[in-house]
Order: sequence, then structure tokens, then C-alpha cells
Amino acid sequence: KAGVTQTPRYLIKTRGQQVTLSCSPISGHRSVSWYQQTPGQGLQFLFEYFSETQRNKGNFPGRFSGRQFSNSRSEMNVSTLELGDSALYLCASSFGQGNGYTFGSGTRLTVV
Amino acid sequence: GENVEQHPSTLSVQEGDSAVIKCTYSDSASNYFPWYKQELGKGPQLIIDIRSNVGEKKDQRIAVTLNKTAKHFSLHITETQPEDSAVYFCAASIDYGSNYQLIWGAGTKLIIKP
Repeated sequence: KAGVTQTPRYLIKTRGQQVTLSCSPISGHRSVSWYQQTPGQGLQFLFEYFSETQRNKGNFPGRFSGRQFSNSRSEMNVSTLELGDSALYLCASSFGQGNGYTFGSGTRLTVV
Repeated sequence: GENVEQHPSTLSVQEGDSAVIKCTYSDSASNYFPWYKQELGKGPQLIIDIRSNVGEKKDQRIAVTLNKTAKHFSLHITETQPEDSAVYFCAASIDYGSNYQLIWGAGTKLIIKP
């Protein structure tokens, strides 16, 4: 079966711009979580969506937002980009809490 | 809140030898402990997990042990091969009512020397 698909794979944006990243989970998975990965900070939890509702949220500023559609696909948006937002953004899907995650390959965002 | 410490940050072993990565957690209520392997340019991949009602789980060359009393769990890789070179992450679950998350270790870079 198809894995978790994240688009685009690479993105270069300018400070102050906004960006939208997309994630298509494994068919049947209703939970989608987003993570930011940087060399110094490891895997940082952004938020989790389940059945179109944000169920959990990490400690990121309001510039980071997301949503989930009825087909479980999810998007995350970062507004007013800062240089420090440069990172690998990972999406993970699962059946639900207490189950293993399947990660996508990520979107590499570079802010210049 | 939950904190997961992972050691070592880098581990270099000779091909064929065993590798052990250890994680400690702070929340005694944690009950799910997965291990992920991340290769260069890819997302983390679940390689093995264990729940708190089990002390050990094995899958071919990979095993995970859990000591609930001491609040630590370990990943054991035997007969290491070059393809085992990657970054490994441990995680522990937290469940505070409606807030369920995985708390992640900082990762271990495993280098297999030929």
C-alpha cells in the first residue's frame, strides 16, 4: 500500500513569506501528526489532527497552523517566515493514539 | 512533564559486533515505547516497539528491553551490518487525558565500521 506522501520535497522561501505543506496519510489512517526536525533540536511536535479536529498542539507560535480534510489529508501553514523556520518538516500518520507512526520523507524548507 | 534521555549520542561499532542504545523516561504512566530508524534523506521508520506489559521483544537481529521499575528501555542490535548505519530515536508515550503525545529522545547516530 502507498506510504505517507509529503509535497513538496524541497522548498525555498524568503523571510516574511508564508508556506503551505501537504501530507497524504496512509489509507485508513485518521491521525496525522506534524513534526519539525532540526539538527540541534531533534524532533519537535507541532500538532496532531484526528477526524478534521486538532487534538494536540506543541509549543510553537501561532504562525504555525494546520488543518485536516475529510479524506484525512492534512496541510500545515507557516506565516511570516523567519530564518529559524528552516528545517525538515515531517508528517506522520497512524490509526490513532497508542499505535506506531508511519512517517513521510518530509519537506525540506529553507528560508533565506 | 515527561522527559526522555537517550545515550549515547554517537555510537561507532565494528561490523558484526552488537550495538546497544539506552533511553530513560520520567513519567511512570508511559506505556508505549517505539524505536525509529532514520536514514539520510528519509523520514524515521518504526523498527520495533514495546508496551509496558512486556519486558522484552525481539525481531530477528533487533530486540528491545524494558525495565519499568528503573524507567529505562534499550535497543539491542546484534551482528551489525553496514545498512544499520543511521540515526535511531526512542520515544515514550504520555497520555494526560485528551493530550496524548510521543516524547522523543535526541537520537543516536550509529556508525558501523567495515
